[in-house]
This record gives sequence, structure tokens and C-alpha cells, in this order.
Amino acid sequence: RKEVEQDPGPFNVPEGATVAFNCTYSNSASQSFFWYRQDCRKEPKLLMSVYSSGNEDGRFTAQLNRASQYISLLIRDSKLSDSATYLCVVNRPMDSSYKLIFGSGTRLLVRP
Amino acid sequence: EAGVTQFPSHSVIEKGQTVTLRCDPISGHDNLYWYRRVMGKEIKFLLHFVKESKQDESGMPNNRFLAERTGGTYSTLKVQPAELEDSGVYFCASSQEGDRKNEKLFFGSGTQLSVL
Repeated sequence: RKEVEQDPGPFNVPEGATVAFNCTYSNSASQSFFWYRQDCRKEPKLLMSVYSSGNEDGRFTAQLNRASQYISLLIRDSKLSDSATYLCVVNRPMDSSYKLIFGSGTRLLVRP
Repeated sequence: EAGVTQFPSHSVIEKGQTVTLRCDPISGHDNLYWYRRVMGKEIKFLLHFVKESKQDESGMPNNRFLAERTGGTYSTLKVQPAELEDSGVYFCASSQEGDRKNEKLFFGSGTQLSVL
């Protein structure tokens, strides 16, 4: 079983739709959480950090449930430019430091 | 300000050959990481430099992979001899020295390696 699990999709939605992605992680020692965005044949880019209280950045809302070890990303009013792969990433203690663990990503396709 | 740059963007080599990938991190970033994404799989950690020192190389697949960061600036990752299973996208990432728990990485655009 992967340490960070995501539904690979693709999620195919019309412009203007609201779409939600889920992610679960297995290591309860994980400390911090992120969503990265990766466009086709490009590098991953940090979209937003995920805080326990939930946080919002424009049309994007991230939630964390530590008890269930579950992270979500909600995108409202989808734009064509939101089409990309969304990577769930957790940072967990490893020896005396931390290590980022990546999910395989969820692919989003926004159609006109 | 320049981002993380990687060279080459693509490399096609035959099994048994040697390939060297280069990464130039963002200026002033002490942390430099190598990651790899094999087709259909998640991005996986290979190793981590702090300045010129290898902090963690637990993700290196085997001794055919050698990473260096002489002088604490750019880094190279050499694969010798390359095998078919080494094919994938090799990403380099950097970050400033600081809070590793909330670390935010900046990635290069990657090197697509194809071993035939």
C-alpha cells in the first residue's frame, strides 16, 4: 500500500463546476501537508499548504482531518487553466529530519 | 530571478551507457534534492544535499547512481551503466535552509531519461 493514496482520475468537469479531490496518508507521524500542481510535461509547483483549521486561497480550499488522515482540495468555478495533475504531498519525520512523500496525483480535465 | 534549471531536458541513451544530469538550484538555496518519477508511479526521493554535504541518500536505487555537489552550488547525477529501468523523469528541487517541517520546494523542469 502506498503511503499517500490518491484517486488517479481523470476528473472530467465542465467549466464553472466545483470539483473535490481526496487524499489519504498512512503514516500518523506526518507533520505537514501540501498540494502541488503539475502541468503536462512540466515540473510540480506548490499550490498551497494545508492547515489543520482548513485554508482558502481564492477558488481553492484545502482541508485536513488528522484523525482520519485525510486531506482534501476543493476547486470552485473551475477554469480551463485548472486542467493539470494535482499532487498530494506529506512531510513526515525521517531519522533526524523530514521527508516529502508524494502521491501519484489526480488528473483534472476542465472542458469548455 | 532564475529558477531551478536542469540540463539536458531530454536524454536518450542505450543500455550500458553513461549519462550525467545537471541541476543548478536557485541562488542561495542550500538544500538541493533529486527526485525521480518512473512512468505511472509517484515522484520518489533520491537524495538530499545541504550545501556540499549529502544529508540523506537513502532513496538512491543502487551504486550505479552517483550524485555530487562540489562547492555547494550545482549538482550532477551520474548513472553508470544505465539500465532500462532507469528510464523516467529526474527532477531537481531546491529550498532555502530553514524550517524543514514546512519546507516548500522549487522544482526544475526535469530531465526525461530514456534508456533503450
